[in-house]
Amino acid sequence: EIVLTQSPATLSLSPGERATLSCRASQSVGSYLAWYQQKPGQAPRLLIYDASNRATGIPARFSGSGSGTDFTLTISSLEPEDFAVYYCQQRSNWPRTFGQGTKVEVK
Amino acid sequence: EVQLVESGGGLVRPGGSLRLSCAASGFTFSSSSMNWVRQAPGKGLEWVSSISSSGRYIYYADSVMGRFTVSRDNAKNSLYLQMNSLRAEDTAVYSCAKSLSAAADWFDSWGQGTLVTVSS
Repeated sequence: EIVLTQSPATLSLSPGERATLSCRASQSVGSYLAWYQQKPGQAPRLLIYDASNRATGIPARFSGSGSGTDFTLTISSLEPEDFAVYYCQQRSNWPRTFGQGTKVEVK
Repeated sequence: EVQLVESGGGLVRPGGSLRLSCAASGFTFSSSSMNWVRQAPGKGLEWVSSISSSGRYIYYADSVMGRFTVSRDNAKNSLYLQMNSLRAEDTAVYSCAKSLSAAADWFDSWGQGTLVTVSS
C-alpha cells in the first residue's frame, strides 16, 4: 500500500497569504496524484488531478506540482473560502489511498 | 448537473448487515466507473471500493475485503454497497463518488453521504 504523508498537519495563515501544502508518497506514483478540498459538513471537491491539472471550475490561484514522490499544492493568495482541509490521493496503485489531510486555518 | 444521493445508512449492531444505495443522475451512469469512500467521525478520507462501468472490474480496500460487496444496476442508475459482518471501526459517513473518466478514477463528483453507525 502506498502511504501518503501530508505536511504540515495545520497551516495557520491570513487571507491574502500564500499557502504551500506538501504530500509525500512512500513510493513513486508518477503523476497520478490529486488534491481535494473539504469544508466542514460538505463533500470533498476535486481541485487538482494528475498532479497539476485543475479540475473544472477551480480558480487559477490553486496550482499543483511535483512527480514521483513529492508533490505540492499552492494557493497563491488565500481567499476566505479557502480555509478548509486538503487531502492528497493517489491512483497509481490499488488500494487507492489518501493522505491524512492538512488543515488550513485562519491565523 | 451531476447528482449523487446515498441512502440506507443507520444504526446496526456489530456483526450485522446494511445495504447502501447511491442514486445517480445528470450524467451517463453506464459509462462511468463509481466508487465508495468513507470518513469516520472527525477523521480523514478512506477509499472503500471501486467498480468499473460494466461491473466487470471491482476493487476493495483490505479493511473491507470479504465483508463488503459493491454492485451496480446501470438500468436503474444505481450503485450499491452490501456491508456484512459490520464492526465498530466501520462507523463512518459513506459517500459514493463518480470517476472523472473511464481512464482516470479521480473522484470528481461526490454525494453528501449516509451515516453508518455500528454499535451495540
